[in-house]
Amino acid sequence: QKEVEQNSGPLSVPEGAIASLNCTYSDRVSQSFFWYRQYSGKSPELIMSIYSNGDKEDGRFTAQLNKASQYVSLLIRDSQPSDSATYLCAVKSSASKIIFGSGTRLSIRP
Amino acid sequence: GAGVSQSPRYKVTKRGQDVALRCDPISGHVSLYWYRQALGQGPEFLTYFNYEAQQDKSGLPNDRFSAERPEGSISTLTIQRTEQRDSAMYRCASSLETGINEKLFFGSGTQLSVL
Repeated sequence: QKEVEQNSGPLSVPEGAIASLNCTYSDRVSQSFFWYRQYSGKSPELIMSIYSNGDKEDGRFTAQLNKASQYVSLLIRDSQPSDSATYLCAVKSSASKIIFGSGTRLSIRP
Repeated sequence: GAGVSQSPRYKVTKRGQDVALRCDPISGHVSLYWYRQALGQGPEFLTYFNYEAQQDKSGLPNDRFSAERPEGSISTLTIQRTEQRDSAMYRCASSLETGINEKLFFGSGTQLSVL
């Protein structure tokens, strides 16, 4: 079992709709959870972090965490073509290193 | 500096040669991570440091790979006797804080090609 799992996609969403990206993790005592965005040919950049169960909103982005289910999600409202990228879920494990998933490719179609 | 700086940007080497990849983190950043990223995949953990101390090297694939950060700033990832399977993008990232609030800033990466 991979430590951080994501559906590789591609996920295709019409412009203006909500994109929903999901991630599961295996280390039950993980403490910190992150979403990074990576445009093609570029480096990952942090867009959201979440530490407690529930929702955290930042502009059009909402991160959701459910530690009991070991599940993290990212919702992107009013999706724009500029949101087309690979979204990486990252988890800081009990061993204190940050582990990334394989990423989900998101495509916003006009 | 303004961001995480990695050099060289591209490295082409022949199989069997040693290579050294350099990472200059954001000034004052405490933790420094090395990842390897294959095309279409997420970053694969290699090793990380807090200050000059190597905290975890469990991701280094074998003993040909080593890393150091002797003064708690610049880090070097060394690959000895390179093999074609070592070809990948090598990414460095640093964070101001350790602990749960460890937010990584990535450099542009070094694209390594082993011929």
